[in-house]
Amino acid sequence: EAGVTQFPSHSVIEKGQTVTLRCDPISGHDNLYWYRRVMGKEIKFLLHFVKESKQDESGMPNNRFLAERTGGTYSTLKVQPAELEDSGVYFCASSQVNEQFFGPGTRLTVL
Amino acid sequence: GQNIDQPTEMTATEGAIVQINCTYQTSGFNGLFWYQQHAGEAPTFLSYNVLDGLEEKGRFSSFLSRSKGYSYLLLKELQMKDSASYLCAVKQTYKYIFGTGTRLKVLA
Repeated sequence: EAGVTQFPSHSVIEKGQTVTLRCDPISGHDNLYWYRRVMGKEIKFLLHFVKESKQDESGMPNNRFLAERTGGTYSTLKVQPAELEDSGVYFCASSQVNEQFFGPGTRLTVL
Repeated sequence: GQNIDQPTEMTATEGAIVQINCTYQTSGFNGLFWYQQHAGEAPTFLSYNVLDGLEEKGRFSSFLSRSKGYSYLLLKELQMKDSASYLCAVKQTYKYIFGTGTRLKVLA
């Protein structure tokens, strides 16, 4: 069974550019989460989807971040325009009930 | 506010037992989770407690006391491959709050 996959694995962009991260959850998992880890800090919750609905997006830093999960399958997280402080590792996780399976993460560097 | 505390680093010897503590103060509680994360990799699920008491899973056990806002992860018969960060996380209704993690070094 394929695990959670994320694309790209690394992204280096300049301040002001746009980046879109993609997450493919484990097939059949209704719950999908986005997290971000800034170097030296804890993993921070960004938002939670159940199927295509956003259940909790209280962790989204500001309106430069937009997450979608059309059709309740894969999800995208777009950052537009990117700022220096957006650099970090963005993790996606999916679950059926409680056990979350994490993807390998996307390392985003904003220069 | 929301707060989860874990020691930053611990060191133990191969074959020994180590206990990693986690204390939490959160506005909601629907379970406490432990994850293992090797450097540069994704966190992997280790254990989950929602009721008070001890959950055992092979060499790993986790304990929860909700009244004290306290959990620990117990690792027995330590192996070199157990060197990793161990993350404590509290589940609220729809979100998870993570601690900063405890970096465990296992020495030969």
